[in-house]
Amino acid sequence: AQKITQTQPGMFVQEKEAVTLDCTYDTSDPSYGLFWYKQPSSGEMIFLIYQGSYDQQNATEGRYSLNFQKARKSANLVISASQLGDSAMYFCAMRESGSGNTGKLIFGQGTTLQVKP
Amino acid sequence: KAGVTQTPRYLIKTRGQQVTLSCSPISGHRSVSWYQQTPGQGLQFLFEYFSETQRNKGNFPGRFSGRQFSNSRSEMNVSTLELGDSALYLCASSLDGVLTDTQYFGPGTRLTVL
Repeated sequence: AQKITQTQPGMFVQEKEAVTLDCTYDTSDPSYGLFWYKQPSSGEMIFLIYQGSYDQQNATEGRYSLNFQKARKSANLVISASQLGDSAMYFCAMRESGSGNTGKLIFGQGTTLQVKP
Repeated sequence: KAGVTQTPRYLIKTRGQQVTLSCSPISGHRSVSWYQQTPGQGLQFLFEYFSETQRNKGNFPGRFSGRQFSNSRSEMNVSTLELGDSALYLCASSLDGVLTDTQYFGPGTRLTVL
């Protein structure tokens, strides 16, 4: 079963508008972390934002915020005021706790975002 | 602080050959993880090294191996290359590799197997 599901293979957004990228996850572990990464065409994965399963508030980092709905097992990324440089592939990832999960991120299939001028 | 570096950036090999990829983590990071990225399978975890020991391993055949040195630099080796090994190989480092640790990625090595 997929542990991380990103249902939007591709999305378009107008420059300066906000966009939400969806991510749902599946785990029975009560302790886990959720990450979002951006991958431009150059290939490098750029860390954007982190949310821990026990965090009471939604994470925010500049123009990025995470809409964390624990009961629904969703962790959607919201990008406000989109810029042309935001055009990239976006990945949602999860790390579960436990010694068998050290250093291991489980990734979704990604969402390609294109920002239109 | 310098970021994660990977060498070489591009490699072309033929089937049956072997290849070694190198990764230098961010200074102070002791955990190094490797991932394979392909269009069909997406991003898949290969293994993680911490303090020169393989601490975690993904579901890849034994042809994929790695090691970590005392300065936390890591190498991964793929022997008897197959066409399906063509991929972007990403290395990521973090402080300890534990739950809340953020992994920072290098630019990747793009391997093409002919």
